[in-house]
Amino acid sequence: EPEVTQTPSHQVTQMGQEVILRCVPISNHLYFYWYRQILGQKVEFLVSFYNNEISEKSEIFDDQFSVERPDGSNFTLKIRSTKLEDSAMYFCASSAQDTEAFFGQGTRLTVV
Amino acid sequence: EDQVTQSPEALRLQEGESSSLNCSYTVSGLRGLFWYRQDPGKGPEFLFTLYSAGEEKEKERLKATLTKKESFLHITAPKPEDSATYLCAVPLGGYQKVTFGTGTKLQVIP
Repeated sequence: EPEVTQTPSHQVTQMGQEVILRCVPISNHLYFYWYRQILGQKVEFLVSFYNNEISEKSEIFDDQFSVERPDGSNFTLKIRSTKLEDSAMYFCASSAQDTEAFFGQGTRLTVV
Repeated sequence: EDQVTQSPEALRLQEGESSSLNCSYTVSGLRGLFWYRQDPGKGPEFLFTLYSAGEEKEKERLKATLTKKESFLHITAPKPEDSATYLCAVPLGGYQKVTFGTGTKLQVIP
């Protein structure tokens, strides 16, 4: 069964460093998303990406964040200068249409 | 204000004891309601999409229903492997800007 894959599963970084989280969406999907979940809190929408551009973003997705689809298979989330409060699980998701999304297993980001 | 609220926060059931989880939403022009299951440390796993009041979907011991203001996830004769957090999600604002509820953490005891 097709699935969304994310790497790495766990990333530890120092405050102020840049991190790139990587995702391979399901191959025939057209919509791509990033969500985050701070420990013990709810899943929060960050950004959606369609047709090679951001289609929607939340208030969380500020200038420190960027997304890219560098080739036909990868989808990345970059955080330019990490803060302690960026520590969370980051989930990539994809969907064939703008309906239900299928999630990866997440990258646990720890900022120290 | 558009929002999604789930209740109860936690639910403990004996194996075989049926129950229902609630998701209430306030949004003008519902464009779908999603149910997901999330195991600890894992990503949400898609269960159902409901689009209109009166719609029902079933999968094994789970049945999701939708009214104009809320959705229920009915669990019939649950087993310990049904233990997880069940999340409800609704597009608020844009079609792709999906808002999740805080979830119901279900524990099924053998």
